[in-house]
Amino acid sequence: DGGITQSPKYLFRKEGQNVTLSCEQNLNHDAMYWYRQDPGQGLRLIYYSQIVNDFQKGDIAEGYSVSREKKESFPLTVTSAQKNPTAFYLCATQTAENEKLFFGSGTQLSVL
Amino acid sequence: GQNIDQPTEMTATEGAIVQINCTYQTSGFNGLFWYQQHAGEAPTFLSYNVLDGLEEKGRFSSFLSRSKGYSYLLLKELQMKDSASYLCAVLDSNYQLIWGAGTKLIIKP
Repeated sequence: DGGITQSPKYLFRKEGQNVTLSCEQNLNHDAMYWYRQDPGQGLRLIYYSQIVNDFQKGDIAEGYSVSREKKESFPLTVTSAQKNPTAFYLCATQTAENEKLFFGSGTQLSVL
Repeated sequence: GQNIDQPTEMTATEGAIVQINCTYQTSGFNGLFWYQQHAGEAPTFLSYNVLDGLEEKGRFSSFLSRSKGYSYLLLKELQMKDSASYLCAVLDSNYQLIWGAGTKLIIKP
């Protein structure tokens, strides 16, 4: 089945620790996105990538990093510089800029 | 600034009809999306409007008025499984998606 796989479903971070959220897709889509979702707020864009080996900062990139070494994979690292990382993180792909997004099932990150 | 407004929460009865409104102020417009999101799950696509008017898709319909910066999602014959959050998002002139905070819809028997 084609789709987007995010892992893990739940993740806990200790203070000062970096953690990496995985996003893998087999839809052959060029564009990939990372969003953060907090209660009572709209989705906020962290990073996006339109093509392999290229990515751009979104609205809230500080404290996060990404890589796009393969078309299928777009991992997100939440660094220790992100002081308020508790949120639901969503990865998405897109076929063209005016097309709908396809979302992964999300990762809930919490701080210990 | 860019802004999307939706009611925070709505309650409706099983079998009834509900209309969820979305108003927007964005720099340009290249389309409006509606997504459904059950708690703790991924958003799923419901509709896309780029021209004025009503788009019907089964029990769900979406309306757009570009001149008024307004859209609504109409849900008919409500079922318990329709209890979810409904997200409105607008594509601006740079093809960036601007998201509303979502409307939590509670369906009562």
